[in-house]
Amino acid sequence: EIVMTQSPATLSVSPGERATLSCRASQSVRYNLAWYQQKLGQAPRLLIYGASTRATGVPAGFSGSGSGTEFTLTISSLQSEDVAVYYCQQYNNWPPTFGGGTKVEIK
Amino acid sequence: QVQLVESGGGVVQPGRSLRLSCVDSGFTFSSQPMHWVRQLPDKKLEWVAVISYSGGTTYYADSVRGRFTISRDNSKSTLYLQMDSLRAEDTAVYYCVRDLKAENWFDSWGQGTLVTVSS
Repeated sequence: EIVMTQSPATLSVSPGERATLSCRASQSVRYNLAWYQQKLGQAPRLLIYGASTRATGVPAGFSGSGSGTEFTLTISSLQSEDVAVYYCQQYNNWPPTFGGGTKVEIK
Repeated sequence: QVQLVESGGGVVQPGRSLRLSCVDSGFTFSSQPMHWVRQLPDKKLEWVAVISYSGGTTYYADSVRGRFTISRDNSKSTLYLQMDSLRAEDTAVYYCVRDLKAENWFDSWGQGTLVTVSS
């Protein structure tokens, strides 16, 4: 199965600054990558699919990029409500697999 | 609007069984595949099982194959997960998730139900 590796494990960003999260696949997943946001005590929420397509209702401040084995989730201007753990997930190969998550906090 | 509500979690001894349910209060339950995804105590997410929209096709993670059974009743907009021969490593929050485009990414999640396997 494909192993997804996220970095860093924890990201501390000042309010209003850009946050850049990375996700690496152990082999190519083409553009078949999704990102999820999980706030404390809540279920994950879909942010991005197809590596760069925002899900319904997701603010424009969230953007995804990349293909193959290297992907990035960018939060353009970090707000307090963006504090969460972010997970990537590949769906190119069976079974679907998730990264271990990046915790984003306010500096 | 999709709203998925799981139930059936609890504390169970190793080797025993439990059945989870997930009711979809939206209007499109019978049109999409549905999955179960679990979140382990270390917060890692693990895909568990999927069932086609008709219920005719199912797939399982290696870790649960032969012990878990996914099923659905489209007339009741309800998804099930029958968990037999439970092990301590099955302890997790179990989420019912919708697969809108049948591409194995998950657009809607339930609130989750906690299963604890402990003697």
